[in-house]
Parts: sequence; structure tokens; C-alpha cells
Amino acid sequence: GDSVTQMEGPVTLSEEAFLTINCTYTATGYPSLFWYVQYPGEGLQLLLKATKADDKGSNKGFEATYRKETTSFHLEKGSVQVSDSAVYFCALSLSNFGNEKLTFGTGTRLTIIP
Amino acid sequence: KAGVTQTPRYLIKTRGQQVTLSCSPISGHRSVSWYQQTPGQGLQFLFEYFSETQRNKGNFPGRFSGRQFSNSRSEMNVSTLELGDSALYLCASSPGLRDIQYFGAGTRLSVL
Repeated sequence: GDSVTQMEGPVTLSEEAFLTINCTYTATGYPSLFWYVQYPGEGLQLLLKATKADDKGSNKGFEATYRKETTSFHLEKGSVQVSDSAVYFCALSLSNFGNEKLTFGTGTRLTIIP
Repeated sequence: KAGVTQTPRYLIKTRGQQVTLSCSPISGHRSVSWYQQTPGQGLQFLFEYFSETQRNKGNFPGRFSGRQFSNSRSEMNVSTLELGDSALYLCASSPGLRDIQYFGAGTRLSVL
């Protein structure tokens, strides 16, 4: 079945460090790909998305490129801040409308140290 | 604009009981989805409703059911609770089927 694999956490970085969180997927079709972020005590917020190969999603300094050849959607940020501390989820959707029935990875907890 | 509201935020039940969770979507949103989040299984899709009709269903037993009302508010019900049903239940709404899902803060259910 369809699945998403994320790098195991937790990840701890110093402020201003470069961030990469790996995400690969297995899907029978051509999925839309998403990164969601969950801050403590809150629900998930969409961080960025990409709907086709070579698309780059970006938001708040975060970027991810849809790589069909490597079935990957790695999340990157050039200089992290303490406020980026949260749990990050990679997800895919294979529905006809591209945004329903999300399949999530296990999440990666990120902690940024001042 | 108010976000997705889930009630209650916390719930404690015992095995064998049933529970009903409520979700009020963002005003104007017609699609509501439910997800279960556990440390072991992560985030798993339960079901999705649009205009009072269930459109998609995940791989959960029949003890898990839901419905959507004409005002787009949704409820999910779990009957004959088991210890493994302890989880954070998240509701998400979107304006329509092609739109981004906005998540609520969730209801944390503990089954003792």
C-alpha cells in the first residue's frame, strides 16, 4: 500500500544551523506531497505542498522539492530558529482531488537550542 | 475567523464504554475528515464527510463511525472502547474537495 517514511527523530540542532528532514514515499500513482507541522498542544498546520514532479514547495524559509526519480520530498531550511521547534510530518494524498485521505509519516520531532 | 473546534479536549473512559467526539469546522467549510494519532501507529485516516455523505473510509473496525450534519458539524463515535483506542483524535476541515485541510487541536481520549 501507499506509505511515507521519515527520518527517525528526535533531531536537535543549534539555532542558525541547516536543517534537513528526509522523507521518501511509496505510492501506486502520482501523489500530491505535503509537509505539516505540529506545535505543542496544537493541531497540524500545512507548511508546504507540491502536486507534481519537480515542483518546489516553500513557506517560512522551509523548502521541499518533489523528486519523482528518488520518490523523495526532503524538507530543508537554511537557518533554523528556536520557534521552529515542533513535530514535522510528511504526507501524501492519492485521491482524485489530490488533497483528501492523507497518508502520514511517523513524524520527526525537532528541537532547536539557542 | 474561528478555526476548527473540537470538543471535548480531553476525555477519560473505561473499556466497553462508548464515546462521541465533536468537530465544528471553519465556517463555510463543507468537508470534514477524522484522523487517529497514536505513538505506535502515527496518524491514520479514519473517514471523510462532504455534504453529509461519507466519501472515504480508512481501515478501522466498524466500532468507529461518524456522521456529518447539515451545518457541516461532524461527530465520530467509538463503541465498545478498547485500551488501544487511546489516542489523539484530530478533525480537519476544508472548503471543498480540492482544498487544503485545516486541523483542529484534537481530542485526547484515554481508555482505562
